[in-house]
Amino acid sequence: AQRVTQPEKLLSVFKGAPVELKCNYSYSGSPELFWYVQYSRQRLQLLLRHISRESIKGFTADLNKGETSFHLKKPFAQEEDSAMYYCALSVWNYGQNFVFGPGTRLSVLP
Amino acid sequence: KAGVTQTPRYLIKTRGQQVTLSCSPISGHRSVSWYQQTPGQGLQFLFEYFSETQRNKGNFPGRFSGRQFSNSRSEMNVSTLELGDSALYLCASSLGGRPITDTQYFGPGTRLTVL
Repeated sequence: AQRVTQPEKLLSVFKGAPVELKCNYSYSGSPELFWYVQYSRQRLQLLLRHISRESIKGFTADLNKGETSFHLKKPFAQEEDSAMYYCALSVWNYGQNFVFGPGTRLSVLP
Repeated sequence: KAGVTQTPRYLIKTRGQQVTLSCSPISGHRSVSWYQQTPGQGLQFLFEYFSETQRNKGNFPGRFSGRQFSNSRSEMNVSTLELGDSALYLCASSLGGRPITDTQYFGPGTRLTVL
């Protein structure tokens, strides 16, 4: 079955510290993975997709098929990064859109 | 351009009633997807409509249905409401391609409370 796990419900780091939000998936096929973010009182929005291989707001994520992971990283966290982060797996080939992980709330402390 | 809009923003219903939620996509977008968000189950995909046809469907009972109009606006209907249907219902619109290349834009959601 297609599944996305995010082991941390809440992650707190200090401003300027590195941050890593973990995401693991299970999928029979070639995975297509995404990170979505929801800032306070804002809509859910796409942060990055694995094929883009670019840094968005300083965040990067590498797809590791061997470890079935797609961790989100940023070397120096900023207070404005505080938000809810969702890892998502596209299951388009199975007749659906996304399977979302449960989300991790990132809190960047001053 | 205007973002995805959802109406109403808040709804209170009682068990057994039915409810209709509306979603207006971004102009030019032909795909509308619906999601249910609850504290226990998280974000779950309900269904997707593209050019007035249901293209994808999640694992929800038949009480959950939807439709899309020729102007791409979409409605979802939940019949015989249960307490467990209390949730935030999100819709998202896109041009209609695969998510890997076509970004989905989310609306603010409709908060449904079933008493």
